Amino acid sequence: KQEVTQIPAALSVPEGENLVLNCSFTDSAIYNLQWFRQDPGKGLTSLLLIQSSQREQTSGRLNASLDKSSGRSTLYIAASQPGDSATYLCAVGDDYKLSFGAGTTVTVRA
Amino acid sequence: KAGVTQTPRYLIKTRGQQVTLSCSPISGHRSVSWYQQTPGQGLQFLFEYFSETQRNKGNFPGRFSGRQFSNSRSEMNVSTLELGDSALYLCASGPDREFEKLFFGSGTQLSVL
Repeated sequence: KQEVTQIPAALSVPEGENLVLNCSFTDSAIYNLQWFRQDPGKGLTSLLLIQSSQREQTSGRLNASLDKSSGRSTLYIAASQPGDSATYLCAVGDDYKLSFGAGTTVTVRA
Repeated sequence: KAGVTQTPRYLIKTRGQQVTLSCSPISGHRSVSWYQQTPGQGLQFLFEYFSETQRNKGNFPGRFSGRQFSNSRSEMNVSTLELGDSALYLCASGPDREFEKLFFGSGTQLSVL
């Protein structure tokens, strides 16, 4: 059974600082890894998708890396802004389903 | 392009009742999956449908069921509701290929009293 762990559980940084969010998973037989953002009481917004054959993906201030052999992914958010405050979820895809981590709740202080 | 639409947005039920939640995927998407989100267990996979066929099912009791219609719209049903079924139920739609991104709706917040 796939287990996905996200560290840290919560993070508070001043505006402008770079964010580093970590995700690890136990079974490396995955199709892809997806990072999501969730605002309180809302659904999930997809941020980045990395296929199992890829090493990283970038979108604007976001960059995500994937090391399948070691079961790790890292999401970097450059020059954080208060609007980046949210919970970030990592999800591993295989067998037509996603296995989610518990998330990292980020607070960016103005 | 319209996003994933889930109805209703909020539901309040009492123990023992049953409930049906609806999900309309993004136009052209044929895969629909359902997830339950609770503060204690986080996000857990319920089931996935593609062209009216269930391809995978999570570890939930038989009280949780779903189906998909020929227009790709999906419903999930929970019978004999328990207090522990209170959760945010999220639907996601995706294109044919498993490697593609999933898009989530805003969810249905179910409260069981």
